[in-house]
Amino acid sequence: EAQVTQNPRYLITVTGKKLTVTCSQNMNHEYMSWYRQDPGLGLRQIYYSMNVEVTDKGDVPEGYKVSRKEKRNFPLILESPSPNQTSLYFCASSLLGQGTEAFFGQGTRLTVV
Amino acid sequence: GNSVTQMEGPVTLSEEAFLTINCTYTATGYPSLFWYVQYPGEGLQLLLKATKADDKGSNKGFEATYRKETTSFHLEKGSVQVSDSAVYFCALSDWGAQKLVFGQGTRLTINP
Repeated sequence: EAQVTQNPRYLITVTGKKLTVTCSQNMNHEYMSWYRQDPGLGLRQIYYSMNVEVTDKGDVPEGYKVSRKEKRNFPLILESPSPNQTSLYFCASSLLGQGTEAFFGQGTRLTVV
Repeated sequence: GNSVTQMEGPVTLSEEAFLTINCTYTATGYPSLFWYVQYPGEGLQLLLKATKADDKGSNKGFEATYRKETTSFHLEKGSVQVSDSAVYFCALSDWGAQKLVFGQGTRLTINP
């Protein structure tokens, strides 16, 4: 089954404690990205990757890091989380090209206290 | 930059009512347009799309037509069901900036 898998689904952490949210896709997609969803703001892109070892900033990259060492995995790293990073996070993957469908993970609800 | 504006929610309707969720966009060039749906506790999934002007996307009774002259992509369904309750996102693909640009989402609740 084609899918994007994120872990964990829920996470409560404390300010400053490094964390990683994993994302894996099994569709051999070149393009992967991370979004955060906040009420009234829709989804905003954090980082994206067009292929292995190729990553770039989206609209709201501050406080986040990513890596793309393998085509299927695209982890999101928060080196020193802060309360304003409390949000719902989604990983997505797609083929390159306009008009292609993006496949989303089920989301990770992160709370930073 | 490119942007998408959706009608404010939440929207509450009775079963079998007619649904319209408005979406307008600002874009340079010729973006592709999408509607994604998010059911409770799940990720987004593609509902329908249109890749050029005058194209009509359709799926599960929903329709939307890419109107370049009015820069719109309104979502419609003739008779909604309780199972259509979800959050709906209009989006455009902006491959010049390598991303999907989303509207703020519209929460739809259908009462029996």
